[in-house]
Amino acid sequence: GEDVEQSLFLSVREGDSSVINCTYTDSSSTYLYWYKQEPGAGLQLLTYIFSNMDMKQDQRLTVLLNKKDKHLSLRIADTQTGDSAIYFCADSFSGGYNKLIFGAGTRLAVHP
Amino acid sequence: DVKVTQSSRYLVKRTGEKVFLECVQDMDHENMFWYRQDPGLGLRLIYFSYDVKMKEKGDIPEGYSVSREKKERFSLILESASTNQTSMYLCASSTLRGGYTFGSGTRLTVV
Repeated sequence: GEDVEQSLFLSVREGDSSVINCTYTDSSSTYLYWYKQEPGAGLQLLTYIFSNMDMKQDQRLTVLLNKKDKHLSLRIADTQTGDSAIYFCADSFSGGYNKLIFGAGTRLAVHP
Repeated sequence: DVKVTQSSRYLVKRTGEKVFLECVQDMDHENMFWYRQDPGLGLRLIYFSYDVKMKEKGDIPEGYSVSREKKERFSLILESASTNQTSMYLCASSTLRGGYTFGSGTRLTVV
């Protein structure tokens, strides 16, 4: 079946850039999403990219999409302690009903 | 402020009990979803609904059922709770083609 994979942990120093990577298998994805989950909370939509785009920038966030390699990344510039959270990549399943397939989540730890 | 509300943040139930988890959205969304979240496994889809009284199985429906009698409300039912159903349960809603809005989650412990 369709699958989305992410590394589980990333540790960065405050002020550095963070890059969270994701690979997916569905070659006919329409949208790909990044969600953020803070401790004890639900998931919050951070940003998304349409499949015919290569890049999308939104303030400190940059999303890069390589359709050939089925690789998605989220770059957070000037990472702050408030960015510490779990980040989920999600792929819109082409089989209908607006189902999203989520990765396991990357836990970002920001240290001074 | 648009919202998905889950009725309980924390629940403790005994093995064998019937458990109801309630989710209400105020955005007039067509689709509603129930996921469970476990460490290292991410989010796994249990059931979803694309219309009133309509439901579809997700990836892990065993031991669960759902009910959607009204557009705004989607209930997850554990027919006979077991310890392996201890988890965080997340409800979400969406339009036909949009991103999801999630509730805050219900952490269920079955003892």
